[in-house]
Amino acid sequence: DTAVSQTPKYLVTQMGNDKSIKCEQNLGHDTMYWYKQDSKKFLKIMFSYNNKELIINETVPNRFSPKSPDKAHLNLHINSLELGDSAVYFCASSQSTGISTYSNQPQHFGDGTRLSIL
Amino acid sequence: RKEVEQDPGPFNVPEGATVAFNCTYSNSASQSFFWYRQDCRKEPKLLMSVYSSGNEDGRFTAQLNRASQYISLLIRDSKLSDSATYLCVVNSGYSTLTFGKGTMLLVSP
Repeated sequence: DTAVSQTPKYLVTQMGNDKSIKCEQNLGHDTMYWYKQDSKKFLKIMFSYNNKELIINETVPNRFSPKSPDKAHLNLHINSLELGDSAVYFCASSQSTGISTYSNQPQHFGDGTRLSIL
Repeated sequence: RKEVEQDPGPFNVPEGATVAFNCTYSNSASQSFFWYRQDCRKEPKLLMSVYSSGNEDGRFTAQLNRASQYISLLIRDSKLSDSATYLCVVNSGYSTLTFGKGTMLLVSP
């Protein structure tokens, strides 16, 4: 069984379109994340949700809107796609440890969504 | 100074070699440290956590020096299957992982 699954795996679309990427985890984790890995392979956090609540929102354009209907799902909707949005988007999940903000729990990643803007 | 810095690589080594990767981090309050591995066009996967006293997992040994804010990964007896990019990862608070850019390892026959 896939622990963290993302769909679609590949997404090719034109500038200006709106698209969504879905993510689901069956690990029972309470925290989920979206990362962007650009062409230089640098992996950067975009959003983090804990029990459906947004806890991290890095400096991401507001064209990107995450939605968490429940703690097992975190979807990412992108409006008005731009060329610079081309990247691999990874969803991840982990179990928070509650008290400490410095969790020692590792994150489990989905296998990525490769977004190409034409 | 970047938050997490790693050796630029790539490292080209023959099978059986020992190779070491270094990493430094800027946030002195960081508490959790990891090494992840990422194969080409794949997702990052946890290789091992890094503990203050140092820890070993088979051919892999991780070390942490909090005073120097330095983390290392040693791979002994390199295998072809060890070829990948190794990511140094630091927890910067609120479960936020900060990734280094990674060091590519190429093990050749």
